[in-house]
Order: sequence, then structure tokens, then C-alpha cells
Amino acid sequence: GQNIDQPTEMTATEGAIVQINCTYQTSGFNGLFWYQQHAGEAPTFLSYNVLDGLEEKGRFSSFLSRSKGYSYLLLKELQMKDSASYLCAVNEDSNYQLIWGAGTKLIIKP
Amino acid sequence: KAGVTQTPRYLIKTRGQQVTLSCSPISGHRSVSWYQQTPGQGLQFLFEYFSETQRNKGNFPGRFSGRQFSNSRSEMNVSTLELGDSALYLCASSYATGGAYNEQFFGPGTRLTVL
Repeated sequence: GQNIDQPTEMTATEGAIVQINCTYQTSGFNGLFWYQQHAGEAPTFLSYNVLDGLEEKGRFSSFLSRSKGYSYLLLKELQMKDSASYLCAVNEDSNYQLIWGAGTKLIIKP
Repeated sequence: KAGVTQTPRYLIKTRGQQVTLSCSPISGHRSVSWYQQTPGQGLQFLFEYFSETQRNKGNFPGRFSGRQFSNSRSEMNVSTLELGDSALYLCASSYATGGAYNEQFFGPGTRLTVL
């Protein structure tokens, strides 16, 4: 079946680094997305991985290992505005539908 | 380029009523997906429309239905509302014409409260 797992909640300190993990089991794989969602707002695109390895984009990086069904989002130099939920989504190649994880709520403390 | 728009933004209904939500995708996007989001549940996929055809459907009862028009605008209808239908309903559009990159662009959502 389809399953995407993320930690429910994480806490980190301003200025620090945090890694949010995502593991997936899907019938097919055609890419993995990370989205950020602030409370009361719509999700916004952060990153996309389809090949193994690390994609870096400013303070945010995303890693993918297809053989392990594993990805992580790395946030560096944390700022208070990074407090949000982070959603992992997998693109199954069978029907264009994105399969979503429940999201990880990240709390940043001063 | 204008983003995804949803109307109305907020809605209060009572049990047993029905509701229609509207979504206008980004110009050129032919795929529209609908999601229900409740606290702690993440995004629950409702259905996806592409070129006026329902291409995918999630595990929701038949009270939830939708359609897409020739201009790609989409509507979602919920009949016989229940208290548990209170949620944020998000619409997302994408090109979704094939290939791996299927980034979805979300609208601001409609917050539905059922009393």
C-alpha cells in the first residue's frame, strides 16, 4: 500500500540546524516534493528530488535515497519565521497523483 | 501570472445543508486537485480533474463530488453536511501533462465550518 511517514512535531532553536525525515512506501516513484505550510495558510513549494543525492537551495537542502525510500529536509540557520509545518509528498508515476505525508510541525524557540 | 483563487474564503453551514466551493487554477494549468485538511490529519486527497474529466478519486463518500469546466475552473460540492466535514478545503493546480515534475500550486483554501 501507500504510506508516507514523518515525525509529528519537532522543536529546534533559532540559529541551529534541523533535519526533518520522510520515509515512503509507494507502488511507484517519480519524484518527491517538500512543501512548507504556515498556520492558516496554503502549502508552498520548497524543493523537488527525483534523483538520489542532495539538492541545495539557500538555507534549505533536500536529500533523496530511492533505494531506501527516504528523504530529508535540512534547514540551516533557523529563523523564527521557519516555524511551520513541512509536508513531504511523493509523485507516483501511475496516475499523476501526489501522495502526502501528515506533515511535521516545526517549532522554533529563541 | 495570477495564482490559484478559491471562493468563498470562509463559510458557515449547518448540518444537512449542501455547499459548493469554487477554484480557478493558474492560467494554462489543466489539472485541478482538491484536498481536505483537518488538524493533525494532513492533506487528504479528494479528487483530481484534468480536461473536464475526473482522473483520480480519494476515499471519500459520495456526498463529495466535483466537476471541471472547459476553462479549467473547478467546483466541489458537499451534500448533506456533517459536523466532521468542518475543515480547510484546498485546491491545487498543475500542468500535470506527464513526466515526473508535477508541482502543485495551492490556493488559499476555503475554511468550512459546519454547525
